[in-house]
Amino acid sequence: SQQGEEDPQALSIQEGENATMNCSYKTSINNLQWYRQNSGRGLVHLILIRSNEREKHSGRLRVTLDTSKKSSSLLITASRAADTASYFCATDSNTGNQFYFGTGTSLTVIP
Amino acid sequence: KAGVTQTPRYLIKTRGQQVTLSCSPISGHRSVSWYQQTPGQGLQFLFEYFSETQRNKGNFPGRFSGRQFSNSRSEMNVSTLELGDSALYLCASRQDILAEAFFGQGTRLTVV
Repeated sequence: SQQGEEDPQALSIQEGENATMNCSYKTSINNLQWYRQNSGRGLVHLILIRSNEREKHSGRLRVTLDTSKKSSSLLITASRAADTASYFCATDSNTGNQFYFGTGTSLTVIP
Repeated sequence: KAGVTQTPRYLIKTRGQQVTLSCSPISGHRSVSWYQQTPGQGLQFLFEYFSETQRNKGNFPGRFSGRQFSNSRSEMNVSTLELGDSALYLCASRQDILAEAFFGQGTRLTVV
């Protein structure tokens, strides 16, 4: 079964606004990764955050991780129309050889 | 550095046929894993290979099988295709356990 759940399932914002999406998971993790998927194509790796990290930045992306709440958030600042995509979080199994994906957040950025 | 390459990009097969999908990982990556993505079930783990050994397998019927070669390239085979096998099949490669996983563009399989 899928371990992660993203919230919200769908998000629509105006260009220039910030977008925040959340991911919750069920068991202990080693790390958590965020991915973007455009319209049924491959997954693009965005950022990896390890279980001993609380926050990480990459360009306009900011990821936080709260292991006590088993949750993570992805913030995209100053959104662009090109950010329109589905976003997934993925957590590693304890053995590190399997990803559990969330259900994804569909983000629409309106120009 | 070349990314993960999956071939073919699109496939149309008839029920009952079999299909083989290929994945070439990033150079130096020894772990390759496969996922099935459908609108109803989302991203489901199929199996993971590391240095030619299957280390983990998801909850899929035995019609789904895979293998990995000494150059880390991996193939996935689905026999006796069913309509429900229509999906986007994605493979991911990693340098080692707990590293970033990079995905290919996927193979879109349609079973008619």
